[in-house]
Amino acid sequence: KNEVEQSPQNLTAQEGEFITINCSYSVGISALHWLQQHPGGGIVSLFMLSSGKKKHGRLIATINIQEKHSSLHITASHPRDSAVYICAPIKAAGNKLTFGGGTRVLVKP
Amino acid sequence: ETGVTQSPTHLIKTRGQQVTLRCSSQSGHNTVSWYQQALGQGPQFIFQYYREEENGRGNFPPRFSGLQFPNYSSELNVNALELDDSALYLCASSLAGRADTQYFGPGTRLTVL
Repeated sequence: KNEVEQSPQNLTAQEGEFITINCSYSVGISALHWLQQHPGGGIVSLFMLSSGKKKHGRLIATINIQEKHSSLHITASHPRDSAVYICAPIKAAGNKLTFGGGTRVLVKP
Repeated sequence: ETGVTQSPTHLIKTRGQQVTLRCSSQSGHNTVSWYQQALGQGPQFIFQYYREEENGRGNFPPRFSGLQFPNYSSELNVNALELDDSALYLCASSLAGRADTQYFGPGTRLTVL
């Protein structure tokens, strides 16, 4: 079983729809990144959070450390949100990143 | 856009050849991590370098090796290339012990024929 499970693997939405991506992990962590990867490969960190909730524009990330679960929400989705979103917990032991398999999001106009 | 750069952006090699990929760190970052991302999958940790020494390694064979230089830039070397080595190779720089500060480079896409 993978240490990090993301769902769904693929998601297609119409512009304006609300999108949720879920991440569950089995290891002890100190914090968690949500990463965005556009075609071509470059990865950027959208959020790093260790508790509660963070909001940046139309993006909201939540984490429940006790339940070992995090979610990324995109409100009023737009075609430019089309990308792969990767959940990356930071393992408490060794302070290293581990990665989910990614969720491929396509937002249609 | 982060300050982490990688070269080359794309590379095609044949089985059995050797390859060297390069990464320049974000200014002020002294730790570099390398990841392999196969098509359609999440990145897999290869190894990390801190102060020019390997500081943790994932489940990769010894033909994957690395270097870190005094200016904190880094190289990933892969010997005896195999078809399955075809992937996007990402480096990320960070402060020591601070995986929360990782900045990723744009990646090098390696194709092995």
